[in-house]
Amino acid sequence: AQSVAQPEDQVNVAEGNPLTVKCTYSVSGNPYLFWYVQYPNRGLQFLLKYITGDNLVKGSYGFEAEFNKSQTSFHLKKPSALVSDSALYFCAVRVDRGSTLGRLYFGRGTQLTVWP
Amino acid sequence: DGGITQSPKYLFRKEGQNVTLSCEQNLNHDAMYWYRQDPGQGLRLIYYSQIVNDFQKGDIAEGYSVSREKKESFPLTVTSAQKNPTAFYLCASSIDVGTGGYNSPLHFGNGTRLTVT
Repeated sequence: AQSVAQPEDQVNVAEGNPLTVKCTYSVSGNPYLFWYVQYPNRGLQFLLKYITGDNLVKGSYGFEAEFNKSQTSFHLKKPSALVSDSALYFCAVRVDRGSTLGRLYFGRGTQLTVWP
Repeated sequence: DGGITQSPKYLFRKEGQNVTLSCEQNLNHDAMYWYRQDPGQGLRLIYYSQIVNDFQKGDIAEGYSVSREKKESFPLTVTSAQKNPTAFYLCASSIDVGTGGYNSPLHFGNGTRLTVT
C-alpha cells in the first residue's frame, strides 16, 4: 500500500527563522513527490515537485524541498519564514505502477504557524 | 484564465436529500478527482476519472456517485446513503500521466463546503 506520513500536526516558528515541514513516504514503485499549500476555505495550491536527479528542488514563494532516497523523505524547507507562510501544508506522492495509476496519496497535513 | 470552478461555495441540505456538487475545468485535462477533507484527516479520495465515460472508486466511495459525460465536467452526487456528509469537498484535475508524465501536478478548485442538518 502507498502511504505518506507527515509526523507533525503543527509546526511553529518565529518570523525570519528557517522552517522545516517533514514528510516521509512508503511506496511500491518509483515515487513522484509534491508539496501543496492550503489557505483557509480555499483549495490546494501546488508549491513544488520532485524532479528526478535533483535532490534539492526549488518551488514557489521561496520554498524548497530536499529529497532523500535512503530515508524516503521529502522535507519542505524555507530559509527565512514569513507570517504570510502560515497555512496548512500537504505532502503527496504518486507511483508509476499498479492499478491506482495516476492518483495522488496525501499526508494528513501540517499546520504551519509563523509568529511575528 | 484556465482553472477549475466548483460551485456553490457553500451548500446546506437537510438529511435524507441527495445533493450534487459541480466541478468544471477548462484546462483540457483528461483526469479529474474528487476529494473529501475533514479536520485532522487530510484528503481522502472519493472517485477519480482518467477519461470520459470512465471512473474508478477511491477510498471512500460509499454513499457517493459521479458521472463523466464530458471532459470538462465531473459532478459529484452526495446521496442520502452517505452517513456523515458534512465536509469540505475538493475537485481536482491533471494531465493524464500517460501524456504528461507522473510528475504532472493536480490543479484544485476552491472547494464546496457542504453542511447537512
